[in-house]
Amino acid sequence: ETGVTQTPRHLVMGMTNKKSLKCEQHLGHNAMYWYKQSAKKPLELMFVYNFKEQTENNSVPSRFSPECPNSSHLFLHLHTLQPEDSALYLCAAGRENTEAFFGQGTRLTVV
Amino acid sequence: KQEVTQIPAALSVPEGENLVLNCSFTDSAIYNLQWFRQDPGKGLTSLLLIQSSQREQTSGRLNASLDKSSGRSTLYIAASQPGDSATYLCAVSGWGTSYDKVIFGPGTSLSVIP
Repeated sequence: ETGVTQTPRHLVMGMTNKKSLKCEQHLGHNAMYWYKQSAKKPLELMFVYNFKEQTENNSVPSRFSPECPNSSHLFLHLHTLQPEDSALYLCAAGRENTEAFFGQGTRLTVV
Repeated sequence: KQEVTQIPAALSVPEGENLVLNCSFTDSAIYNLQWFRQDPGKGLTSLLLIQSSQREQTSGRLNASLDKSSGRSTLYIAASQPGDSATYLCAVSGWGTSYDKVIFGPGTSLSVIP
């Protein structure tokens, strides 16, 4: 248990669907992150939020839309995804230059 | 531009062996280096964090070293067990930057054979 919880753990969605991934942290950290992990590739940073403000968007397509309503919750809204978006999506929480804590991830399959 | 590599990409050892995983980075101006473990289809578990001013960190059977000048870190696993089978990733955080500049290596996939 890392203190970072992601739901759902698995998600299968069609290309025309709209779904959301949820991340919740109980660590009191001010920074939260979304990462994408595709097969055989290094982790890719997608979005960063510091104190609920988005500080980085790493050239992510607009079909991925993050939302951070408070310092404990982070969402990733998905719409009109492509099959190549199938991956493991990881959420992390941390403070600047300290240890990061990751959730278990959501395994997303786009059909 | 910081680049992180890990060697080997995959490693298979019999149970009980001591082993070393390697991580190299091209820019020595790092703030810290972190080793993670990832089980198949799951999230990352932090193993050890080494600040730039430190040379090594130990936790149980794990020992991580850092040599900033040569751009290298090693993760030493003593008396390996089948439960150690996982992918091990190293990640570096740049000096003076926030965590969002962390760069991950591609990982080493470890199999410990009973």
